[in-house]
Amino acid sequence: DIQMTQSPSSLSASVGDRVTITCRASQSVSRYLNWYQQKPGRAPKLLIYVASSLQSGVPSRFSGSGSGTNFTLTISSLQPEDFATYYCQQSYSILTFGPGTKVDMK
Amino acid sequence: QVTLRESGPALVKPTQTLTLTCTFSGFSLTTSGMCVSWIRQPPEKALEWLALIDWDDAKHYSTSLKTRLTISKDTSKNQVVLTITNMDPVDTATYYCARTRSNGGGYMDVWGNGTTVIVSS
Repeated sequence: DIQMTQSPSSLSASVGDRVTITCRASQSVSRYLNWYQQKPGRAPKLLIYVASSLQSGVPSRFSGSGSGTNFTLTISSLQPEDFATYYCQQSYSILTFGPGTKVDMK
Repeated sequence: QVTLRESGPALVKPTQTLTLTCTFSGFSLTTSGMCVSWIRQPPEKALEWLALIDWDDAKHYSTSLKTRLTISKDTSKNQVVLTITNMDPVDTATYYCARTRSNGGGYMDVWGNGTTVIVSS
């Protein structure tokens, strides 16, 4: 199976900060990489699909980039509602999620 | 409006078989590209994808759990059922079902709220 890693595992940031989360795959997944946001006690929410396509209704401060094995999720200006855990997920082969990155308040 | 709702027992004993049902509305599992996945999340841990069934009745399973999983669908009832055999306390988790779009990405665009399952004697 394709293994996914994320870095950092957690980060502390302030409202207005630019935040970047990295996701790496153990082998190429082309652009079949999706990003989700999860808040405590809630189901995950799709943010970005196929590496860089913004899901309908998701604010434009979220963006994704990358291909092959290296991907990034960027929040251009962190808002209070963005404090959450973020997961990447590859869909190139048997689906797998990354371990998550928790974004909390500095 | 697309919705999914998970249902099943809240408590199961070790070695028992767990049966979870995902009841959905707002889309058809006979439409090309439509799939339903099951995903779980142990307390304070990461998401783990378990299984997927597609519009053509193809089934895919997590490599590590495939000997214990069976996924099926009833399109007349708009339901997808997941069974997990030989339950163990490490299977304690919130179980989610999610609509999965295979055309163009394999992404899970709508999720149910999840159902919590505790495995304990």
